[in-house]
Amino acid sequence: QVQLQESGPGLVKPSQTLSLTCTVSGGSISSGSYYWSWIRQPAGKGLEWIGRIYTSGSTNYNPSLKSRVTISVDTSKNQFSLKLSSVTAADTAVYYCARDSGKLYSSGWLYYFDYWGQGTLVTVSS
Amino acid sequence: DIQMTQSPSSLSASVGDRVTITCRASQSISSYLNWYQQKPGKAPKLLIYAASSLQSGVPSRFSGSGSGTDFTLTISSLQPEDFATYYCQQSYSTPSFGPGTKVDIK
Repeated sequence: QVQLQESGPGLVKPSQTLSLTCTVSGGSISSGSYYWSWIRQPAGKGLEWIGRIYTSGSTNYNPSLKSRVTISVDTSKNQFSLKLSSVTAADTAVYYCARDSGKLYSSGWLYYFDYWGQGTLVTVSS
Repeated sequence: DIQMTQSPSSLSASVGDRVTITCRASQSISSYLNWYQQKPGKAPKLLIYAASSLQSGVPSRFSGSGSGTDFTLTISSLQPEDFATYYCQQSYSTPSFGPGTKVDIK
């Protein structure tokens, strides 16, 4: 059973960089055709996809955050990480990591988030 | 960007009721549509992928249908553990989620 666990500071000052790590257990992050994603949710609001990484290092980012986001992977530690720069109060949210699984259909690959971490609250405040 | 809308934004229902939630995409997404259930303080849980495929371990009272721009999630007989918020999500392009539909007890 795959499990994901987010870790990192719960409080970040405005203008600084938010850094989180997701540790994957119960399977190798390098096995299979999976992307590994970050998703966030402000309190009482909906879900926003931040970006994802393939184990080759290939990344995709939400255009609305692309200029501030970096996602990286460390296969030796079975981890992937998120860095979000120049944070403001609007970046306060619960941050989730998730496995992005794909199935090949005649129309192409369809991806869905089938395993999630429990989420970690990051507050941006001075 | 593909925008997702859901209706209703909330509904009240009783145990045993049939519940239908609608999701609409701003452009055709074929069947690239997934549904999630989220309970307070918990991560979302995948229910349906590819518009109508039931995720392993999800009760058969959940079903999904639709293609193109219009999709539905149906709970055939609402159970106490089904009171939650439901989100649709498109994976046709940059992933995006609907605003959610909260199902609470009447």
